[in-house]
Amino acid sequence: ETGVTQSPTHLIKTRGQQVTLRCSSQSGHNTVSWYQQALGQGPQFIFQYYREEENGRGNFPPRFSGLQFPNYSSELNVNALELDDSALYLCASSSGLTNTGELFFGEGSRLTVL
Amino acid sequence: QQQVKQSPQSLIVQKGGISIINCAYENTAFDYFPWYQQFPGKGPALLIAIRPDVSEKKEGRFTISFNKSAKQFSLHIMDSQPGDSATYFCAAIPNRDDKIIFGKGTRLHILP
Repeated sequence: ETGVTQSPTHLIKTRGQQVTLRCSSQSGHNTVSWYQQALGQGPQFIFQYYREEENGRGNFPPRFSGLQFPNYSSELNVNALELDDSALYLCASSSGLTNTGELFFGEGSRLTVL
Repeated sequence: QQQVKQSPQSLIVQKGGISIINCAYENTAFDYFPWYQQFPGKGPALLIAIRPDVSEKKEGRFTISFNKSAKQFSLHIMDSQPGDSATYFCAAIPNRDDKIIFGKGTRLHILP
């Protein structure tokens, strides 16, 4: 059984560019959530996907968008990058929508915006 | 805005001692209170969690104490070990919602 895998692990972009981050959920999990973790802070909820539909969104602007595919893998897209978007982006998968906090997190994609 | 406030920001404890991390919340509409442990270069991992109708939950060396009237909860790590050195996050899950609201984290260092 494979865990949650994210790619790329590190990337550097410049302001105004666009980025796509990828996540493969744990086997058997149909729900994927994305979190942004700034340096020295706790993760902040971006959005969640359940069976290919967005199911809840945090306080992030529309330039943060996502997709979930039929195999339940997911993408996070960020357009018009800003310096404050520099952070660790975490993907977490879970089974269903009963949120008891039992999410399985990947190791994250560290984005640096220059 | 719903918030979870965590303290201290960092904590140093001697091996074998008790580590205590405190959290407080401002909204009563929370369903569940999990704690996460994060090692450098890794994502957070669920450590232990409690519902608001329970005052205490223990799993091995880890205990959550919950005070509903004070809107406070804490994590106690008994017999702290160097392998417990990590960042710990308290969190809260709102009613009928699927997002997790994290505290800012406590960096714990256990001296050998």
